Amino acid sequence: EAGVAQSPRYKIIEKRQSVAFWCNPISGHATLYWYQQILGQGPKLLIQFQNNGVVDDSQLPKDRFSAERLKGVDSTLKIQPAKLEDSAVYLCASSFFRGTHDEQFFGPGTRLTVL
Amino acid sequence: AQTVTQSQPEMSVQEAETVTLSCTYDTSENNYYLFWYKQPPSRQMILVIRQEAYKQQNATENRFSVNFQKAAKSFSLKISDSQLGDTAMYFCAFMNSNTGKLIFGQGTTLQVKP
Repeated sequence: EAGVAQSPRYKIIEKRQSVAFWCNPISGHATLYWYQQILGQGPKLLIQFQNNGVVDDSQLPKDRFSAERLKGVDSTLKIQPAKLEDSAVYLCASSFFRGTHDEQFFGPGTRLTVL
Repeated sequence: AQTVTQSQPEMSVQEAETVTLSCTYDTSENNYYLFWYKQPPSRQMILVIRQEAYKQQNATENRFSVNFQKAAKSFSLKISDSQLGDTAMYFCAFMNSNTGKLIFGQGTTLQVKP
């Protein structure tokens, strides 16, 4: 079974530029998560989708971050414009269903450096 | 709001020995789940072990076991017979049973020395 795929793996941009990350969850997984992991910290949930609807985006900085999950499969996370403090690893995860016992499977992440 | 605290930023252990990683959490909920995740240097996070709060029996997965103390809100991970492949960052995480949202601790970097 293929895992969660993310691209690109690395991205370097200058502040005020825009960037987009792509995630392809495990086939059949209804729930998709985007996390931000700043160096030396644990991941922080940015947004959670159930199929193509948003379940929780309470910690998404909506003035600069946006995310979509068209057709309930792939997802894109965008930052526009980027700030220095956005430098982090962005992790995508998926689970079969929004159930309390469902394991979240994580992708390899995209490491973003904002100069 | 729930919080998860890991008070040991770094730990090391000799190969084949046992090590315990600490985790405490704060919540007013009664129904929840606790997890330990491993993040090797390649950065792909994988689940190590999980504990349902309503279960009194501590979870065990091969060399990994937990000590779940619900009243003390403590959830430690014991790794027995440590192996070089156990070298990684370990995250303790809390999940509210209503929201399914994972809240992670700051992580503990574990190095297993030969």
